[in-house]
Amino acid sequence: AQSVTQLDSQVPVFEEAPVELRCNYSSSVSVYLFWYVQYPNQGLQLLLKYLSGSTLVKGINGFEAEFNKSQTSFHLRKPSVHISDTAEYFCAVRRSNTGKLIFGQGTTLQVKP
Amino acid sequence: DAEITQSPRHKITETGRQVTLACHQTWNHNNMFWYRQDLGHGLRLIHYSYGVQDTNKGEVSDGYSVSRSNTEDLPLTLESAASSQTSVYFCASSESAGVDTEAFFGQGTRLTVV
Repeated sequence: AQSVTQLDSQVPVFEEAPVELRCNYSSSVSVYLFWYVQYPNQGLQLLLKYLSGSTLVKGINGFEAEFNKSQTSFHLRKPSVHISDTAEYFCAVRRSNTGKLIFGQGTTLQVKP
Repeated sequence: DAEITQSPRHKITETGRQVTLACHQTWNHNNMFWYRQDLGHGLRLIHYSYGVQDTNKGEVSDGYSVSRSNTEDLPLTLESAASSQTSVYFCASSESAGVDTEAFFGQGTRLTVV
């Protein structure tokens, strides 16, 4: 069975500092990985996705993630965060050809001035 | 613009009552999903549908049901609401089951069962 673990429930960081949100997955088959962001009182929005090819994936709002097959990780990074990045971030894995997404527990990014 | 909308946005109901949460999408997507979001659990799949008249159980389907009579709507029904069903519910849709297909989410319904 596939599962997703987000290692940090909350990540406080000061504005303009770099940040990394960690995500590990378990799967015995090929995986397709996603990061979603949820701003307060809103639905989820796709940040980026890894399907195949280059292991470094760039998304919206300056975020990027690196797929590491040997470590079964898909960590999300941003070199310099803004107050507006304060949100809940979800890592997810999709089973091939089912459309179903399996989500991690979520990480709250709190950007402080 | 095409969109996915959920109603109501907030709902308070009593234990034992039947409640229906609406989800409507205008993309003409085949796939629709219902998730619940709880602290420490992320989003968990309740039910999903790959098309009209098709419904499937997700990992936390007990106490919930869905029906798909047309492409646009997938209402979620709580047959007899329980306090454990207090949660935020999200509906999502996607065009196909392809791995590169983006899922679009509604803004959520916050349900409180008292």
